[in-house]
Amino acid sequence: QQQVKQSPQSLIVQKGGISIINCAYENTAFDYFPWYQQFPGKGPALLIAIRPDVSEKKEGRFTISFNKSAKQFSLHIMDSQPGDSATYFCAASMGGSYIPTFGRGTSLIVHP
Amino acid sequence: SAVISQKPSRDICQRGTSLTIQCQVDSQVTMMFWYRQQPGQSLTLIATANQGSEATYESGFVIDKFPISRPNLTFSTLTVSNMSPEDSSIYLCSVALGSGANVLTFGAGSRLTVL
Repeated sequence: QQQVKQSPQSLIVQKGGISIINCAYENTAFDYFPWYQQFPGKGPALLIAIRPDVSEKKEGRFTISFNKSAKQFSLHIMDSQPGDSATYFCAASMGGSYIPTFGRGTSLIVHP
Repeated sequence: SAVISQKPSRDICQRGTSLTIQCQVDSQVTMMFWYRQQPGQSLTLIATANQGSEATYESGFVIDKFPISRPNLTFSTLTVSNMSPEDSSIYLCSVALGSGANVLTFGAGSRLTVL
């Protein structure tokens, strides 16, 4: 049973546009929600993360929006750049566990 | 943060053979993990590599197929045994740093193609 559902599977955005990736979770015990970014030929790397006590976290052009009641969270990439082209994974973990549950990933292509 | 080196970065293997992937970390870590990433798929945890004891395998993965060694706090190996084309995948080593950090650092991965 997939506990973290991620959409869309792929996304094409023009340079300067906004990229939005959505995730939904089922387990209310999750208390840490990271996003990982993976470039071709590289391993995933932590991009940004949020805990459920806040509704939004922003780091540069990247923002996580979190809706605890709806059990949803999303990644917004403002002013998307070709260098942002990568696969993005949302994830969720609980109670100090180092083992997150990953979404299926979103392949983002930003056209110049 | 930790730096993880994985070898080989890629390999092409024949059906029925076995391949061992090495993972070296530049600092001592308690928890090391092995993941599989199939084309277009998510990151699937194979096992947690425990130093000084047997690895803990996730549902669907068994020690006979994916034996793991963890001889010390900086090194681990994953062997993919008796390979079939279905084993073609990227295998990723990962470590967790810091108490309660919930953050994983990944190696660059080993891309295996089984013919």
